[in-house]
Amino acid sequence: DGGITQSPKYLFRKEGQNVTLSCEQNLNHDAMYWYRQDPGQGLRLIYYSQIVNDFQKGDIAEGYSVSREKKESFPLTVTSAQKNPTAFYLCASWTGGNVRNGYTFGSGTRLTVV
Amino acid sequence: GENVEQHPSTLSVQEGDSAVIKCTYSDSASNYFPWYKQELGKGPQLIIDIRSNVGEKKDQRIAVTLNKTAKHFSLHITETQPEDSAVYFCAASTNTGRRALTFGSGTRLQVQP
Repeated sequence: DGGITQSPKYLFRKEGQNVTLSCEQNLNHDAMYWYRQDPGQGLRLIYYSQIVNDFQKGDIAEGYSVSREKKESFPLTVTSAQKNPTAFYLCASWTGGNVRNGYTFGSGTRLTVV
Repeated sequence: GENVEQHPSTLSVQEGDSAVIKCTYSDSASNYFPWYKQELGKGPQLIIDIRSNVGEKKDQRIAVTLNKTAKHFSLHITETQPEDSAVYFCAASTNTGRRALTFGSGTRLQVQP
């Protein structure tokens, strides 16, 4: 079945470490997105990519970096510059063109700073 | 940019009753309004959506209404069941620019058996 796979499901980071969250999709979708979700809050856009080898900052990009070398993959790196990284991270994709087709979300990665 | 506000933040109903969740948006260019259901520890799942050229859409027990003049849209769930208990998010987007969804803050719905 087609879908989005995020890994790992749980991730623990020590202070000062960079960590990378994986997002892979086999839906042949052009656009991919990373959102951050904090308890009791909605989803906030970190980065997005509408085409391979191109990506743009979202609303809360500071302390994060991404790459889009392949259509299927959009990894997110949480750097040591992100001061409050503990959150639930969600990756999404859609076909591109008309957003009315709707997003498909992965199952998320819960990141905790220890 | 777009701002989406969602109310209430929590909602408790008895099984069989109806539930209504309301959202307002700020960007008059927004033309796509999806609703997502999120269960604990999982990613959001699209349950229904509506486009700006439609005032109402229904899918079995779920319906969404849109008032473009007032810039608000609502989710209606009838004959609620315990399995409807979850967090529901509204969102809005345009078909231009970054075309990313802007989400409301969520409503935790609890259906009491």
